Amino acid sequence: EAGVAQSPRYKIIEKRQSVAFWCNPISGHATLYWYQQILGQGPKLLIQFQNNGVVDDSQLPKDRFSAERLKGVDSTLKIQPAKLEDSAVYLCASSLSAGLAGAPSYNEQFFGPGTRLTVL
Amino acid sequence: DAKTTQPPSMDCAEGRAANLPCNHSTISGNEYVYWYRQIHSQGPQYIIHGLKNNETNEMASLIITEDRKSSTLILPHATLRDTAVYYCIVRVGDNYGQNFVFGPGTRLSVLP
Repeated sequence: EAGVAQSPRYKIIEKRQSVAFWCNPISGHATLYWYQQILGQGPKLLIQFQNNGVVDDSQLPKDRFSAERLKGVDSTLKIQPAKLEDSAVYLCASSLSAGLAGAPSYNEQFFGPGTRLTVL
Repeated sequence: DAKTTQPPSMDCAEGRAANLPCNHSTISGNEYVYWYRQIHSQGPQYIIHGLKNNETNEMASLIITEDRKSSTLILPHATLRDTAVYYCIVRVGDNYGQNFVFGPGTRLSVLP
C-alpha cells in the first residue's frame, strides 16, 4: 500500500518569498492533516480537513498560511510571505473517516516524510 | 499544551526491554492514551493506544495504571532500529473535536 506522499522534500527560500507544499494522502482516506514541526519540538496541528471541508484550523496563522483540498484528495499548504520563524518540517498525515461524531473510535494517522523548509 | 509529561531522554541496551513512562494525571474518563514514535527524518508512526486495559500488539505493550494517571510503553526486546523520539498523547477517541497535541516526547537511544 502506498503511503502519504509529500513534495518537495526540501525547500530553501528567503524571507518574504512564497512557498507551497503538496500532499497526496493514502487512497480512500477522508481526513487530512497538516502539522508544523519546529526543531526539537513535537508536531503542531495547523489544519484538519474532512474530505474537502475544514474541521479545525484554529492554529493556522491565517494572515500568511493557507491550505486547500479542493477535490477532497490532494492538498496544498501555502505560506505567503514567509518569515524566519516558519523554518520547520511540514508534515502531512491522513486517516480514515471516524464515522459518527462522538462515537468512540480511532483511526490511525499515517504521516508522510515531511517537507523541510529553511527560510533565510 | 500537552497533557502529558515524559522524561526527555532514556537509554536502553539492545535486546533488553525498554520501558518508557508517561504521566497524565489530568486525564479525563473518555480520553485514550496514544503512543507514536518518530525515527530521525521520518514522520511519526502509530504504535498503540488504550483506554484503561493493558494492550499489546506486534510492536509494543501498553500498561495503564488503575487510576489512569500514568502509563508505560514497553518495547520487549529493543533493537537499534527502535532509536527514536516517543510521544505519549491523551485525547478523546473520535476524530472530531480535540486533536493530537504532541509534547517534546522521550528520545530513546538503544545502545549496542
